[in-house]
Amino acid sequence: EVQLVESGGGLVQPGGSLRLSCAASGFTFSSYEMNWVRQAPGKGLEWLSYISSDGATIYYAASGRGRLTISRDNAKNLLYLQMNSLRAEDTALYYCAREGGYSNGYKRGGFDIWGQGTMVTVSS
Amino acid sequence: DIVMTQSPDSLAVSLGERATINCKSSHSVLYSSNNKNYLGWYQQKPGQPPKLLIYWASTRESGVPDRFSGSGSGTDFTLTISSLQAEDVAVYYCQQYYTTPTFGQGTKVEIK
Repeated sequence: EVQLVESGGGLVQPGGSLRLSCAASGFTFSSYEMNWVRQAPGKGLEWLSYISSDGATIYYAASGRGRLTISRDNAKNLLYLQMNSLRAEDTALYYCAREGGYSNGYKRGGFDIWGQGTMVTVSS
Repeated sequence: DIVMTQSPDSLAVSLGERATINCKSSHSVLYSSNNKNYLGWYQQKPGQPPKLLIYWASTRESGVPDRFSGSGSGTDFTLTISSLQAEDVAVYYCQQYYTTPTFGQGTKVEIK
């Protein structure tokens, strides 16, 4: 079964740090581009970060640039998100999501597999 | 960033009737090299992660019922549910992936 399972969330004080993990199974992880997306309670979806299949290309949303670091370990089928200088507004459910592969040589796009998310609460 | 604006924010439709959600992007998401619109539609039910319904603006993801259809090009797009079923109650999001991805604010679909 194709699956993504996030972990590492929890309660952290403002200014603190967390590292989220996403364990992939059921597919060839090293062949897929990956993303992190978050959703604040009762709010919409916010894309945070992208990493290419080989880890060489990385993008961040402006809201997280300088505070987030995405990485992956293809040997262990793991995706990571290091979050520093956390603020109350970072409180959200954090999802990892697989990017759809390629069709007829063109990037298909869209996030076709999502984990269940890991909750991050930033509060004193 | 490309801004995605959905309308309406919510709608109530009778069972078996058509539901239509609109999505407008601040910049064209049509990729000239392959003439594909880099736009997706997602369904999110309470307590669940989003589910990809449509990519390339009009291509249904495997397993998605054919009552869901996507249309549009450039900057204006539509998701149509041709005959609303009870299990379609959800929030629907559009997303562009022409550049770094951005989502619309969501449209809540309920039963009238």
